[in-house]
Amino acid sequence: DTGVSQDPRHKITKRGQNVTFRCDPISEHNRLYWYRQTLGQGPEFLTYFQNEAQLEKSRLLSDRFSAERPKGSFSTLEIQRTEQGDSAMYLCASSLTQGFYNEQFFGPGTRLTVL
Amino acid sequence: QQQVKQSPQSLIVQKGGISIINCAYENTAFDYFPWYQQFPGKGPALLIAIRPDVSEKKEGRFTISFNKSAKQFSLHIMDSQPGDSATYFCAANGRRNQFYFGTGTSLTVIP
Repeated sequence: DTGVSQDPRHKITKRGQNVTFRCDPISEHNRLYWYRQTLGQGPEFLTYFQNEAQLEKSRLLSDRFSAERPKGSFSTLEIQRTEQGDSAMYLCASSLTQGFYNEQFFGPGTRLTVL
Repeated sequence: QQQVKQSPQSLIVQKGGISIINCAYENTAFDYFPWYQQFPGKGPALLIAIRPDVSEKKEGRFTISFNKSAKQFSLHIMDSQPGDSATYFCAANGRRNQFYFGTGTSLTVIP
C-alpha cells in the first residue's frame, strides 16, 4: 500500500500525559498537512510543511502542540499536557506542489481519546 | 468564523435520484474548491475539484456547479446509489495553502 499511513490508529491517554503521532506521506510528496476533526465537523487545518519547512500554523495550534518533519519525509505531531478538549481524530495528508488539483491524499487518521 | 458554509447537514435520497449539496464562501482569495467523500473510519478522499475560471465540471455521475458572483458552489450526484452513502465535505483553498472545510453533509441513499 503506497498511500498515507498514520500510527497509531487509536490512542487513549489520561489528561496531562504527552502523546505523539506519526505520519508517513506518499513517498514523492513534498507537502504534508495536519488536520484535526471532531465528531460532526469537517477537518480543521493545523499546520503544513513543504519539505522540512513548517510554512503555516493555525491559531488552533496552541503551544502544547508541536509538529516536525525532519529530512522532509515522515512527520510527528506531539501534544503535551493533553486536555479532554484535545479528543479528536488527527488527520494527516500529503500532496505534490505541481499539478492542477493540488490534490491532498489523506491518511486514515489517529483517533485520540483523553480521559 | 466558518470560512465555508455547507448545507444541508443531512440528506436522504432514493436510489436513482439526484443528491445536491451546497456550499458558500466569503473570501474572494480562494481559488480552488474541492469536494471530499468520507466513509466511517476513513480519511477524506478527493472526489472532484474546480477552479473559479469555469462554471461547471463533470466527472462521471459527479458535477460541481460554480457561481463566482454569488460565491457559491454545489455538488450534484446523479443517479445516486447506496454506495454513495457517506459524508461529503466541500473545501476551499487560497494562496496561503490553508484548506478550509465545510461542516459536512451526511448522505443516505435508500435502495
